[in-house]
Amino acid sequence: AQTVTQSQPEMSVQEAETVTLSCTYDTSESDYYLFWYKQPPSRQMILVIRQEAYKQQNATENRFSVNFQKAAKSFSLKISDSQLGDAAMYFCAYTLSYNNNDMRFGAGTRLTVKP
Amino acid sequence: GAGVSQSPRYKVAKRGQDVALRCDPISGHVSLFWYQQALGQGPEFLTYFQNEAQLDKSGLPSDRFFAERPEGSVSTLKIQRTQQEDSAVYLCASSLRPGQKVPNEQFFGPGTRLTVL
Repeated sequence: AQTVTQSQPEMSVQEAETVTLSCTYDTSESDYYLFWYKQPPSRQMILVIRQEAYKQQNATENRFSVNFQKAAKSFSLKISDSQLGDAAMYFCAYTLSYNNNDMRFGAGTRLTVKP
Repeated sequence: GAGVSQSPRYKVAKRGQDVALRCDPISGHVSLFWYQQALGQGPEFLTYFQNEAQLDKSGLPSDRFFAERPEGSVSTLKIQRTQQEDSAVYLCASSLRPGQKVPNEQFFGPGTRLTVL
C-alpha cells in the first residue's frame, strides 16, 4: 500500500521569508501523481500544486514550487515570500489512478506565518 | 453553485443515532468522492461515484456506512448506529470527469464535523 509521510507536524515562517515543507512517500510504481493541498481553518481543501511523476521538471505555481526527487521518493513544497494568508494545514497527497479514487494523504503540516 | 457545499456544517449525535450528511457538488461534475478526516490526520478515502454509479466503496469502514447519489448530482453519506469512533470531519469532493491522462483537480467542500457523544 502506498503511504505518505509528512515528518513536520508544525512549521513556522516569518512573513516574506521562504519555508520548505517535507513529504516522502512509498510506492513501487513508476507512474503516479503528487499533490500539495492547503486547508485553512475554514476546512475547505484547496489544490496548491501538482506533479506528474513522469515529468522531470519541478512544478511551479507563482510563489509555490516543488522539489521532486523521484529516486528518493521525496516531494517537498517551497513557499517563497510567505504571506499571512499562507497560514494553514498543508497536506501532501499521492494518487496512482487518474480517477483519483486511490488518493492517499499525509498527516499534514501546520504552517504558521509570523508578521 | 460556485463550489461544493455540504450540510450540515456541524452535527452532534448521540451514540446509536443515525445521521445523514449531504453533499452538493459543482454542477456538471461527474466524479464525487467522500473522505473521512480524523482530528490531526489527513483525509482518508471512503467512496467514489461516477455519475450515479458507486464505482469504489472500498474505504467505507463498516456496513454502518452507506452512500448514494441517485440522480448523479447530490450525494448523501449515511451512518447508521453511530459510534464514538465515527467522530470526524467528513469531506466531499467533486471533479469534472475522470482524467484522461492525468487526474483532474478535485474541488472540496467545507466538510461536516460529526461529533458522536
